[in-house]
Amino acid sequence: GENVEQHPSTLSVQEGDSAVIKCTYSDSASNYFPWYKQELGKRPQLIIDIRSNVGEKKDQRIAVTLNKTAKHFSLHITETQPEDSAVYFCAASRTGANNLFFGTGTRLTVIP
Amino acid sequence: GAVVSQHPSRVICKSGTSVKIECRSLDFQATTMFWYRQFPKQSLMLMATSNEGSKATYEQGVEKDKFLINHASLTLSTLTVTSAHPEDSSFYICSALPGLAGGPSVFGPGTRLTVL
Repeated sequence: GENVEQHPSTLSVQEGDSAVIKCTYSDSASNYFPWYKQELGKRPQLIIDIRSNVGEKKDQRIAVTLNKTAKHFSLHITETQPEDSAVYFCAASRTGANNLFFGTGTRLTVIP
Repeated sequence: GAVVSQHPSRVICKSGTSVKIECRSLDFQATTMFWYRQFPKQSLMLMATSNEGSKATYEQGVEKDKFLINHASLTLSTLTVTSAHPEDSSFYICSALPGLAGGPSVFGPGTRLTVL
């Protein structure tokens, strides 16, 4: 099965700085890579996703890059704000399967 | 947008009892739903894929006789934790897929199970 690794497990940044979270995956057939933000006790919320036919995708302050050859993808948050503080999970799946394999999570703290 | 609900949101039960958790897609039909388990401060772990009208597909290490899944309609999947024990205490989250395959899953709000 798929194995997704995520680093770092915790990340603290000053407000306004950038944050980068990295993930690697093992299954070369995976082709869909979403990122979720989860606040304590709540459901994961999709913040951005990317498919394997694209190398980069951006949505305002959030961007994701994918290196399919190396099997890694990264989340970039620029101009961080305190409300960005949460746990972020990367995930991977195959089209048609749709079951998500999650990374271990990164607790992001944005210090005002 | 697409909404998935879960019921109950919290449940406390005694060891040895069974607990049923419902997952509903409110405004779309879902032939496939997924059940995840999340222990405190850990990631979401896929337990099983629930298929409408057929047997669920369980991930390795998940006991199908302990975690019974029924997907009797296109909008409802249920997870029953049988003979629950304290180690089954966890946050159980379902998800469903609206629209085309490969699109983003929509997660339910989760059910926190505490087994005394």
